[in-house]
Amino acid sequence: SQTIHQWPATLVQPVGSPLSLECTVEGTSNPNLYWYRQAAGRGLQLLFYSVGIGQISSEVPQNLSASRPQDRQFILSSKKLLLSDSGFYLCAWKRGQGDHTGELFFGEGSRLTVL
Amino acid sequence: AQRVTQPEKLLSVFKGAPVELKCNYSYSGSPELFWYVQYSRQRLQLLLRHISRESIKGFTADLNKGETSFHLKKPFAQEEDSAMYYCALSKYRDDKIIFGKGTRLHILP
Repeated sequence: SQTIHQWPATLVQPVGSPLSLECTVEGTSNPNLYWYRQAAGRGLQLLFYSVGIGQISSEVPQNLSASRPQDRQFILSSKKLLLSDSGFYLCAWKRGQGDHTGELFFGEGSRLTVL
Repeated sequence: AQRVTQPEKLLSVFKGAPVELKCNYSYSGSPELFWYVQYSRQRLQLLLRHISRESIKGFTADLNKGETSFHLKKPFAQEEDSAMYYCALSKYRDDKIIFGKGTRLHILP
């Protein structure tokens, strides 16, 4: 069966510090991978998605970036965190090419607090 | 541009009463619509999708292209329906999936 893991689960960082959130999927190959942010009053905001290694689509211009160094690994990064980066970050995967369900499978989330 | 609007942040309904969670979308092409649910202390998960035309846990949703809506309905609410509900949209078989702001459903005893 397929599983998705993301870490760390919680993170408290000072403004201006770097960030690295990691997400890995097991039990499937060539998945689509997604990063969403869940912030108060803003719902689920799509940040990045990837359909393959090294292929990143950015949806929201900001000081965050994403990378996909391996097929089942998706990393969310920042060089300098802002207060507004605080939120709950969700990683998700979807079956890739040929998928007819459109179903996303979510991780447990990473709560980031920037002080 | 694609957009999903869920006008209600919070909806409180008495147990046994009908439930309707509203979702409107903006997209000129052929959309695929979904409802996701997040129960307390659980992961966000798919509830149903318009293509399947199925009923899950008593919930149904009909895509109305004329009104660009995909409202979620249940005739008789149960306490275990209390959760956060998100409406989601993608282009037909596209990889980009966007969500609305969500509606918290609170079932009153």
